[in-house]
Amino acid sequence: AQKITQTQPGMFVQEKEAVTLDCTYDTSDPSYGLFWYKQPSSGEMIFLIYQGSYDQQNATEGRYSLNFQKARKSANLVISASQLGDSAMYFCAMRTSYSGGFKTIFGAGTRLFVKA
Amino acid sequence: SAVISQKPSRDICQRGTSLTIQCQVDSQVTMMFWYRQQPGQSLTLIATANQGSEATYESGFVIDKFPISRPNLTFSTLTVSNMSPEDSSIYLCSVSGSGYEQYFGPGTRLTVT
Repeated sequence: AQKITQTQPGMFVQEKEAVTLDCTYDTSDPSYGLFWYKQPSSGEMIFLIYQGSYDQQNATEGRYSLNFQKARKSANLVISASQLGDSAMYFCAMRTSYSGGFKTIFGAGTRLFVKA
Repeated sequence: SAVISQKPSRDICQRGTSLTIQCQVDSQVTMMFWYRQQPGQSLTLIATANQGSEATYESGFVIDKFPISRPNLTFSTLTVSNMSPEDSSIYLCSVSGSGYEQYFGPGTRLTVT
């Protein structure tokens, strides 16, 4: 069965410091994709970063990087130089395929609080 | 990128009634998804809607409760039937892009009294 686990319900970080949000996953599919989304209090889902299971390099997008450790089935999000606007809910997600197409499932989320 | 709109943006409904949520995309997409986000919770996939075929429902969701239509490549509807307070959630429409992208609509905030 496919599963995404985020074990940190809440995290605090000081402004300008780096923070790592944990994500582990479970799938038997050899081909899958991993996402991180940000959901601020407004409720919109903002795509941050993507990592394909066959990608050799860790994905980076500006201040966001994904620490992909395939053998450990982990896909942690690293946010560098935290800003007050980074305070939000963060969801890890996994896309897997099936005979009819594909689907994306989400972890429970981690609420990040950035302190001034 | 795809721009998604949903109607209504929010509604308050009485238990026992039904509400149909519309999702409109500004480009043709093959796969559309409907998610539910209960208060303070994560997103749960309700079903996948492909044009020209019946929706595929996830475990715990049934067609009688959440009928879905997908008449063309830019539009879909989700109906929440015979509502109870437990159906109070945000319902989100999502579509896949040409690559790995997945876009989300602004959501429909439903309150059932």
